[in-house]
Amino acid sequence: AQSVAQPEDQVNVAEGNPLTVKCTYSVSGNPYLFWYVQYPNRGLQFLLKYITGDNLVKGSYGFEAEFNKSQTSFHLKKPSALVSDSALYFCAVRDMNTGFQKLVFGTGTRLLVSP
Amino acid sequence: DGGITQSPKYLFRKEGQNVTLSCEQNLNHDAMYWYRQDPGQGLRLIYYSQIVNDFQKGDIAEGYSVSREKKESFPLTVTSAQKNPTAFYLCASRNTGTGFSGELFFGEGSRLTVL
Repeated sequence: AQSVAQPEDQVNVAEGNPLTVKCTYSVSGNPYLFWYVQYPNRGLQFLLKYITGDNLVKGSYGFEAEFNKSQTSFHLKKPSALVSDSALYFCAVRDMNTGFQKLVFGTGTRLLVSP
Repeated sequence: DGGITQSPKYLFRKEGQNVTLSCEQNLNHDAMYWYRQDPGQGLRLIYYSQIVNDFQKGDIAEGYSVSREKKESFPLTVTSAQKNPTAFYLCASRNTGTGFSGELFFGEGSRLTVL
């Protein structure tokens, strides 16, 4: 079955420093990968996706993600963190084995950016 | 502005009662989804619908029911058969015309608490 793993429950970073939120995937075939962000008691907001092409994907709010096929990873990055980036981040992969290609989510990583 | 509206945002229920969560979208999307979110478990798929008058069970459908009588509406009923209904419920939709690459758009969620 298609799956993603987010190995860190929480990531702490100081404002202004670069941040990385890790995600690894397990799929058969070509992966379709997504990152979402969730603020407290809110829905998920789409950040970026990798479908094909350039391994470095740029998304909303200055975030980017690097697709690495050999390491089966899709880490989320930002060069300079803001306190307002503090939120819950989810990695997801499209499960192509079902007829409607459902999205399978990781367990989430809480990002805490300190002033 | 187009989007997904979930109501109510907060709901309290006594054990043994059925409750219905509303989800309305004006994005003209064919596909709609219900996910359940519990701390540390990510999002789990309850039901999905790819077209009006058709819906399918997801990974955790027991104790839930849905209907899809209109394209823009996909209400979820949490029945008394659901053993542990306290959770955050998220509705989402997708433009199926984008094929495999389309991301999900989420509502703001409904938090259900069973007293």
